[in-house]
Amino acid sequence: GQNIDQPTEMTATEGAIVQINCTYQTSGFNGLFWYQQHAGEAPTFLSYNVLDGLEEKGRFSSFLSRSKGYSYLLLKELQMKDSASYLCASDSGNTPLVFGKGTRLSVIA
Amino acid sequence: EPEVTQTPSHQVTQMGQEVILRCVPISNHLYFYWYRQILGQKVEFLVSFYNNEISEKSEIFDDQFSVERPDGSNFTLKIRSTKLEDSAMYFCASSALNSYEQYFGPGTRLTVT
Repeated sequence: GQNIDQPTEMTATEGAIVQINCTYQTSGFNGLFWYQQHAGEAPTFLSYNVLDGLEEKGRFSSFLSRSKGYSYLLLKELQMKDSASYLCASDSGNTPLVFGKGTRLSVIA
Repeated sequence: EPEVTQTPSHQVTQMGQEVILRCVPISNHLYFYWYRQILGQKVEFLVSFYNNEISEKSEIFDDQFSVERPDGSNFTLKIRSTKLEDSAMYFCASSALNSYEQYFGPGTRLTVT
């Protein structure tokens, strides 16, 4: 089966760093996606990790540990516009994307 | 920058009616997908389409659903007899050959009354 867990909500301060965790249990695994979704809008691609380790892309970084079934998204220098839901999704081969419920991040001044 | 487009942005229909949701994927993309998101819930995969046929589908995608690529640009999702529980945001996505990145359209909000 497929199971993806991530916290429901998080709050962080503008300018700070926040880490959003995701754990997954899937019957097959190719890689792990992170998407950003603002309320009422479509998900937009942030990152895709296939190999273990940290991948940095500007203010956003994503980490994967395949052996632990664990990933995190790291957001640095938080801005108000980063307030959104962050969706963890596994690419398991059998189904193109299986999404978690998303973590709603609120950035406060 | 090329983008996936969807029409209509909002569709209201009565239970039992047929609806067709339309998508125009990015022009050089070869893989097409439909997802849905019930309000407040997670995004769920419905179906993927490649080379003019369904490549994968989920349990949600039952006989009431069908997809079609009627011409070189459009990709449609048809729901034959809508139910109240079909009310959701439906997202179309596309990806290029040998690329993992799926580009999502803005979605169609379907309301079944």
